[in-house]
Amino acid sequence: QQPVQSPQAVILREGEDAVINCSSSKALYSVHWYRQKHGEAPVFLMILLKGGEQKGHDKISASFNEKKQQSSLYLTASQLSYSGTYFCGTETSGTYKYIFGTGTRLKVLA
Amino acid sequence: DTAVSQTPKYLVTQMGNDKSIKCEQNLGHDTMYWYKQDSKKFLKIMFSYNNKELIINETVPNRFSPKSPDKAHLNLHINSLELGDSAVYFCASSQWTSGSINNEQFFGPGTRLTVL
Repeated sequence: QQPVQSPQAVILREGEDAVINCSSSKALYSVHWYRQKHGEAPVFLMILLKGGEQKGHDKISASFNEKKQQSSLYLTASQLSYSGTYFCGTETSGTYKYIFGTGTRLKVLA
Repeated sequence: DTAVSQTPKYLVTQMGNDKSIKCEQNLGHDTMYWYKQDSKKFLKIMFSYNNKELIINETVPNRFSPKSPDKAHLNLHINSLELGDSAVYFCASSQWTSGSINNEQFFGPGTRLTVL
């Protein structure tokens, strides 16, 4: 079952904040976040390995709630370069199953 | 130097043909993957090889056959192409740690396959 991301799409003005959620129906071992710009390959943002782990660099951070089987990506003071489609990639506990979420299209306007 | 490269970048072919996509990585990783991204942009893992051994084989038609001649290469051969095979195929690589995909995956630029 593919992890569900919400919202499906979001439009922001430069400087605004956004939160993207990724929810799984299965227990998760790890969550990865990727950004894909139109016509390009996905690019790694960060990985969270432990329940409750939070990570961040620049103005992008993420959290992983193992019990709720979900992760959230936080984009603060968004920039034009943040535009793209964001995917969570999840590995299910006890398996080698790796599944990408449904994706969230984010557009930042000047 | 390109980290993960794929050839060809575009592939247009007729239904029923057989085609191959090649992937090479120069990152020294021991694990390589094939993903399919359909028109709705859903990314789905197809196969994964660790040290030339198949470790992930999702529900993919057996017309698709991966081949890993060495750790740096993972090719994808597709027999009897169908319209539904049209998609972008991405190759990726990572370093396998503790029996899990817990490291960054580096993606190739993708191969856009169009079946007419």
